[in-house]
Amino acid sequence: NFMLTQPHSVSESPGKTVTISCTGSSANIATNYVQWYQQRPGSAPTTVIYEDNQRPSGVPGRFSGSIDSSSNSASLTISGLKTEDEADYYCQSYDNFQGVVFGGGTKLTVL
Amino acid sequence: QVQLRESGPGLVKPSETLSLTCTVSGGSISTYYWSWIRQPPGRGLEWIGYVYYPGSTKSNPSLKSRVTISLDTSKSQFSLKVTSLTAADTAVYYCARALAPSREIDYWGQGTLVTVS
Repeated sequence: NFMLTQPHSVSESPGKTVTISCTGSSANIATNYVQWYQQRPGSAPTTVIYEDNQRPSGVPGRFSGSIDSSSNSASLTISGLKTEDEADYYCQSYDNFQGVVFGGGTKLTVL
Repeated sequence: QVQLRESGPGLVKPSETLSLTCTVSGGSISTYYWSWIRQPPGRGLEWIGYVYYPGSTKSNPSLKSRVTISLDTSKSQFSLKVTSLTAADTAVYYCARALAPSREIDYWGQGTLVTVS
């Protein structure tokens, strides 16, 4: 089964840069787009990156996404961290058999 | 502005069937892929399945035997049924929209908590 694996949690200080990884278990992660969602407690997820590296309007340029085929992984990088970035982040892609697949989520703490 | 709103019971008994409806406003339900996604308390997101016009579906293989998703274009609604409920089905259930299965989920409902007890 195709799975996306994320670190359970990451933490970093305000103003610093953090990178959250999302590693595909088998199929080439570059085969289908990867999206990244931010979820704050009690709210539905919102998109911070779509189609691997595109930012929706309204999402700050501090958020960026990339794909590394050599490690079969996607990454979400947040620079100039702000306390408001503290949230859960999920990667998401697609597999022809599994359907829509989410990573397990990463809790970002900004302290 | 597209809006999605889930409706259904907040409490269901074990072994019974859950029925949820998502009402879509501000856009056509005859295009896009319409998904159900759930999130158990304190846990991650799990895709349940999607439906697209005129009624084709795809479901998570881990849930496929218990899940039915349908589309009612006349009411601009799509629905979810999950049978043989257990406590493990307790979750916030979201309805959501994507342009294609591999693309961004760009609109989400607010979510509705379903407790199996």
